Amino acid sequence: AQSVTQLDSHVSVSEGTPVLLRCNYSSSYSPSLFWYVQHPNKGLQLLLKYTSAATLVKGINGFEAEFKKSETSFHLTKPSAHMSDAAEYFCVVSVGNTDKLIFGTGTRLQVFP
Amino acid sequence: DVKVTQSSRYLVKRTGEKVFLECVQDMDHENMFWYRQDPGLGLRLIYFSYDVKMKEKGDIPEGYSVSREKKERFSLILESASTNQTSMYLCASSLQARGVLSTDTQYFGPGTRLTVL
Repeated sequence: AQSVTQLDSHVSVSEGTPVLLRCNYSSSYSPSLFWYVQHPNKGLQLLLKYTSAATLVKGINGFEAEFKKSETSFHLTKPSAHMSDAAEYFCVVSVGNTDKLIFGTGTRLQVFP
Repeated sequence: DVKVTQSSRYLVKRTGEKVFLECVQDMDHENMFWYRQDPGLGLRLIYFSYDVKMKEKGDIPEGYSVSREKKERFSLILESASTNQTSMYLCASSLQARGVLSTDTQYFGPGTRLTVL
């Protein structure tokens, strides 16, 4: 069965410092993996997507994630946090070869000036 | 750009009322989904549809039904609203997976925050 675990419910960083949001997945298949972001009072927006091509995936707003099969991880990183990055981030895994997704419980990122 | 719209941003209903949440997408996507989002639980799938008049239960379908009479529109129905259905409801759409083990991106609407009193 597929599942995804976001290891931190809250992460706080200072503006200009690196961001690391951790995600581990479980899948019987080679999964598709996603990171979505949700700003306050907004819908979810796709940050990036992995579908068995390059293991390092670059997304919007300077974010990237690396697929590590040996560690079953798909951590999201950004070299330098900006105030506008404050939001909730969801790690998502596909359900086998269906069109369904399973969402993690989310990580709330706070960025302090 | 894909646009997914939901009929209301905020909705307040009373216990026992029948509630309709409407979702429309403009990109000719085959798949449409309804989720609810609750703090600490992430998004949970209620129902989805992969074609007109087709529907499948998600993880938490109890107390809900859906309707898809046209490709672009997917409605979520609460037959008799209860206070435990107070939540944020999100609609999404996607193209159907074109290859084995691939899943297309889901595009989300802005959400409807439903309060049941």
